[in-house]
Amino acid sequence: QTVVTQEPSFSVSPGGTVTLTCGLTSGSVSTNNHPSWYQQTPGQAPRTLIYNTNTRSSGVPDRFSGSFLGNKAALTITGAQADDECDYYCILNLGSGIWVFGGGTKLTVL
Amino acid sequence: EVQLVESGGGLVQPGGSLSLSCAASGFTLVNHWMGWVRQAPGKGLEWVANIAPSGGAKYYVDSLKGRFTISRDNAKNLVFLQMNSLRAEDLAVYYCIRWQYSGAWYHIDPWGQGTLVTVSS
Repeated sequence: QTVVTQEPSFSVSPGGTVTLTCGLTSGSVSTNNHPSWYQQTPGQAPRTLIYNTNTRSSGVPDRFSGSFLGNKAALTITGAQADDECDYYCILNLGSGIWVFGGGTKLTVL
Repeated sequence: EVQLVESGGGLVQPGGSLSLSCAASGFTLVNHWMGWVRQAPGKGLEWVANIAPSGGAKYYVDSLKGRFTISRDNAKNLVFLQMNSLRAEDLAVYYCIRWQYSGAWYHIDPWGQGTLVTVSS
């Protein structure tokens, strides 16, 4: 069974740059997987961040960017701020109408 | 404003049933795939099900096939999730989602605010 992988946690200094990744236990992530990224603060519904590789959803600051890094999809935060400290999720299409979220990355800014 | 508002969550006994509704507004429902995502307390997001614009195609996470049914009423701008034989592990916040098709890619936007389903005796 293919699983979507994300780093469980990551830490970045204020003003620093961090890259979170979204991979597959079997195979490489490609455009066929429609990777997209979502941000969730505690107690809130998720918010759409990035789709179409590097298209930011309305209102998302340009310090957030998306890309492919090797065989994974990637989310980069450049110039991290304190309120970027929250959970980040990716979702991939695995074919046959099935979508799977990664386990999420808990980002700490300190 | 595009909005999704869930309702129908609450407390149900193990083995019981519950039907969630999602009221869509600010867009033409029939133009979009819709779905549900859930999140157990302290856990990550789990995609549950999607339904095609016409309602003809439906897809489910394997673990829930046979117990959960997604449906829609485009005329009333509603999406539903019928949940049967509920178990303690179904305890979660259930989010209604809209799938957006942009540049040949699908992504979720927006999300509803979520409705809590508690399964307990």
